[in-house]
Amino acid sequence: DAKTTQPPSMDCAEGRAANLPCNHSTISGNEYVYWYRQIHSQGPQYIIHGLKNNETNEMASLIITEDRKSSTLILPHATLRDTAVYYCIVRVNAGNNRKLIWGLGTSLAVNP
Amino acid sequence: DTAVSQTPKYLVTQMGNDKSIKCEQNLGHDTMYWYKQDSKKFLKIMFSYNNKELIINETVPNRFSPKSPDKAHLNLHINSLELGDSAVYFCASSQAPGSQQYFGPGTRLTVT
Repeated sequence: DAKTTQPPSMDCAEGRAANLPCNHSTISGNEYVYWYRQIHSQGPQYIIHGLKNNETNEMASLIITEDRKSSTLILPHATLRDTAVYYCIVRVNAGNNRKLIWGLGTSLAVNP
Repeated sequence: DTAVSQTPKYLVTQMGNDKSIKCEQNLGHDTMYWYKQDSKKFLKIMFSYNNKELIINETVPNRFSPKSPDKAHLNLHINSLELGDSAVYFCASSQAPGSQQYFGPGTRLTVT
């Protein structure tokens, strides 16, 4: 079962910031939040991950609330090539191992 | 050079047949995965291997048998194919279990 909930779809104007929300209210203290995206039918692509602190890389920023029950992925200047399904994922411990629990994602359409 | 490759890209076969999908990664990673993505785009982990050893085995029919001849390869053999096996199968790899994963382009399996 998915541990995250996301809006099924969102729109964003090209050049504007895209803010994609995610709820993960049952997340445990040592479980990370990961974001991946899938462009059309290609293999998913890693974007960013975090535990408690906000994170930023060349692709995006990840803002995690203090209670860790939700997070927001920010694409600062969306382009048409950012049109994709964005998955918010919780990495859970599975015995001595770890696995990603995927949700249904948000389909982001970047419009010209 | 392709980091994670899968063959074939498309596979159309009849019910009851046996087929294999191959995956290779040239990233030097220790961990490899097989995922199934159904028509609703839900991505579910099937298996994970670390250093050629099976570490995650989700509730998958035993008609599915993964094999890892070495750390760079993880193949998936499917016996007695059923209509419900139709999906896109993705292979992925990571440095360690649960860390950032790199996905292959996927194999679209259609069972008729």
